[in-house]
Amino acid sequence: GAVVSQHPSWVICKSGTSVKIECRSLDFQATTMFWYRQFPKQSLMLMATSNEGSKATYEQGVEKDKFLINHASLTLSTLTVTSAHPEDSSFYICSASGGPRTYNEQFFGPGTRLTVL
Amino acid sequence: RKEVEQDPGPFNVPEGATVAFNCTYSNSASQSFFWYRQDCRKEPKLLMSVYSSGNEDGRFTAQLNRASQYISLLIRDSKLSDSATYLCVVNGKAAGNKLTFGGGTRVLVKP
Repeated sequence: GAVVSQHPSWVICKSGTSVKIECRSLDFQATTMFWYRQFPKQSLMLMATSNEGSKATYEQGVEKDKFLINHASLTLSTLTVTSAHPEDSSFYICSASGGPRTYNEQFFGPGTRLTVL
Repeated sequence: RKEVEQDPGPFNVPEGATVAFNCTYSNSASQSFFWYRQDCRKEPKLLMSVYSSGNEDGRFTAQLNRASQYISLLIRDSKLSDSATYLCVVNGKAAGNKLTFGGGTRVLVKP
């Protein structure tokens, strides 16, 4: 299957700081990337859908000014959590799809565990 | 009502036994259905797609019942390594290849 990486795999930061998470498709061009968040013992919740070269579409209840998404190339999308607070601590997972090789399947990155102190 | 609902479990299964569990979905227009597996603190990984006629992949069998809007997963000859959370996933919206995840069913296979 296609490979998606995320960086960093974990991050601890102080409240009020901003954190950037990168999602890369390593061996295919991802026309669409998705960002999810998963709190302990809960399911993955879609935060936003990102298409290369256009603005992300955010799900209801997700603040676009707090969670900045950039999808500047076909292999890279970034999620920036601005002014992070302890309630933003979560497991952030991206997925990518696009191109004939992926047959519209979503391939998930390994996730980034964010802890805000 | 949640779009995709699952029994959270845990299902405690003796090694070698068979376990089955369902998932219900609310959007009758859903097109695609999947079972994903998620290990603790890891990303979900696709286990299998679910086809209208039902399908089997080794020890795993998935069924789809559109009339009653549920899908099922059956695991035969359970292995210790099958212990995981199984996520029912549906494409809940018409556009954009969006996936909607159920809360997951936790399966614990014990010796």
